[in-house]
Amino acid sequence: QSALTQPASVSGSPGQSITISCTGTISDVGDYNYVSWYQQHPGKAPKLMIYDVSKRPSGVSNRFSGSKSANTASLTISGLQAEDEADYYCCSYAGSTTLVVFGGGTKLTVL
Amino acid sequence: QLQLQESGPGLVKPSETLSLTCAVSGGSISSSTYYWGWIRQPPGKGLEWIGSMYYSGSTYYNPTLKSRVTISVDTSKNQFSLKLSSVTAADTAVYYCARSSTMRGHFDPWGQGTLVTVSS
Repeated sequence: QSALTQPASVSGSPGQSITISCTGTISDVGDYNYVSWYQQHPGKAPKLMIYDVSKRPSGVSNRFSGSKSANTASLTISGLQAEDEADYYCCSYAGSTTLVVFGGGTKLTVL
Repeated sequence: QLQLQESGPGLVKPSETLSLTCAVSGGSISSSTYYWGWIRQPPGKGLEWIGSMYYSGSTYYNPTLKSRVTISVDTSKNQFSLKLSSVTAADTAVYYCARSSTMRGHFDPWGQGTLVTVSS
């Protein structure tokens, strides 16, 4: 069982927007603005898409955005494209004892 | 451009020690700006942080694995290593190495990953 809770799957049609949630606790997501999101295509290494809740690395499309409210972080993908179909993982700093926790992952299907 | 490459045995026997190395190219592992970590992913499952280290030797481990994990650095070879002792089938996974900006930070970039199977 993962420390952060994500929906197992989400889906959307091309051009639509989807949001993936990542629910933690007051000890991780709720206490720190150190949430990151990763995209993973089958057989590939994860790729950083969002860091520090809402910052986008250079080269990542502005269709990807992140936010946080209380103990839940969210990744929104607008203007869905076929290439967005992948698994998405959230990650959070969880304090000086636990340190780093990941979500269980969400499979995005582009219909 | 920074690149990381994992290497090590693809098959380890139960109760033995898993040993992997991550070679860093395109940048120095001794940079005071970054930490270096290991993350694993069992087949068909999610990601699990194993541990991270600073070039000076400071280490940080997942509490659930701490008793079995050792991460070390070889600055002369610009690489860092993972040792996981007393392995079982549950340790079968793709093991990734990655760089992080701080211990609170995100992982970027990642190595391509290496599959380690624990089986007799």
